[in-house]
Amino acid sequence: DQQVKQNSPSLSVQEGRISILNCDYTNSMFDYFLWYKKYPAEGPTFLISISSIKDKNEDGRFTVFLNKSAKHLSLHIVPSQPGDSAVYFCAATGGYQKVTFGTGTKLQVIP
Amino acid sequence: KAGVTQTPRYLIKTRGQQVTLSCSPISGHRSVSWYQQTPGQGLQFLFEYFSETQRNKGNFPGRFSGRQFSNSRSEMNVSTLELGDSALYLCASSLNNIGSPLHFGNGTRLTVT
Repeated sequence: DQQVKQNSPSLSVQEGRISILNCDYTNSMFDYFLWYKKYPAEGPTFLISISSIKDKNEDGRFTVFLNKSAKHLSLHIVPSQPGDSAVYFCAATGGYQKVTFGTGTKLQVIP
Repeated sequence: KAGVTQTPRYLIKTRGQQVTLSCSPISGHRSVSWYQQTPGQGLQFLFEYFSETQRNKGNFPGRFSGRQFSNSRSEMNVSTLELGDSALYLCASSLNNIGSPLHFGNGTRLTVT
């Protein structure tokens, strides 16, 4: 039972353009949502999060949008840079540190 | 501040053997979680420890176990290894606040032959 789904395994974007990564969830008990970035041979690193009481959170080039009624969130990266090429994981939690991850989307930013 | 340290980085074992992986969390972090990453499956939650107690557990068989010591360091053990246990095992530590992000180590790559 995949409670957090990232339906696009990969995405290619031109440098300077917007990257939009999507994530859907099924568990209405989730109240925090997070995005992580992972480079090969390294552990995931935290990017940005959003609580269920908000619909948008912004940090520099990264913005996360949450649509609770649709159980959908998205990560926007503007402008995209080659160094953003990595695997992005969406994650959600409804309690102390039991975090459920999606299967990841591999982003390639083409120079 | 030192990050999460996992040892060893790589491990090759034979079916039927057991293995112990180690994790040292960020200083001050008392919550330690373990995840298994395999291609196409994302990160699967194994368990989470806080103050030496297992607080959350994922859907893995009893062959997978863990513990946490009084200094918050953690170990996980896999007994009777199977080929399907080959994966990247990631440890993460965090503060004990809802929504606090996990800080991951670089993982232990386990290969079972």
